[in-house]
Amino acid sequence: EVQLVESGGGLVKPGGSLRLSCAASGFTFSSYSMNWVRQAPGKGLEWVSSISGSADSSHDSDSVKGRFTISRDNAGYSLYLQAHSLRAEDTAVYYCARTYCSGGRCYEFFDSWGQGTLVTVSS
Amino acid sequence: EIVMTQSPATLSVSPGETATLSCRASQSVSSKLAWYQQKPGQAPRLLIYGASTGAAGIPARFSGSGSGTEFTLTISSLQSEDFAVYYCQQYNSWPRTFGQGTKVEIK
Repeated sequence: EVQLVESGGGLVKPGGSLRLSCAASGFTFSSYSMNWVRQAPGKGLEWVSSISGSADSSHDSDSVKGRFTISRDNAGYSLYLQAHSLRAEDTAVYYCARTYCSGGRCYEFFDSWGQGTLVTVSS
Repeated sequence: EIVMTQSPATLSVSPGETATLSCRASQSVSSKLAWYQQKPGQAPRLLIYGASTGAAGIPARFSGSGSGTEFTLTISSLQSEDFAVYYCQQYNSWPRTFGQGTKVEIK
């Protein structure tokens, strides 16, 4: 069974930093691109960042580019999101999500999700 | 950036009836469109991908159609567990973008 468990959320002051983690199990982690998707309180879903299985490519949304960095540890079955210069508008539940892959190809929609970790940016 | 627009924002439907949700893309996404269901306090769940392919374990009453810029999610014979918020998402180009969601509520 695929499991994704996020951690690292909490309350942080504007301008502060935070590192989110996602522990994966139940599948061959290195074979899948992984993603962070966030949801502000009472709002819709927003894709944040994606990283390929081998970590040789990544993409970020414009809203976090230059402030957030996605990374992964394939040996440790872990995904990370390092967030710097946090703003009030970064307040959200951050979900770790697995990209759908089949037949050696991956398509950036999300077939498994964690339960999320809440990041609150407030003074 | 491709903007995804969902309509209506809220849909009131009686159990047993059919719900039809729409999603429009600001430019063609071919068939690279997914639908998700989200219930309060839960993570989203993948329903449909490739505009019309049901994800594993999804009941047949959920069906998707469309291509290019116009897409539809149809939920036949609504069950109590289907009342939720539904999102579409394009994966044709970066950044991946979601619609703002349609809430399906009990009439």
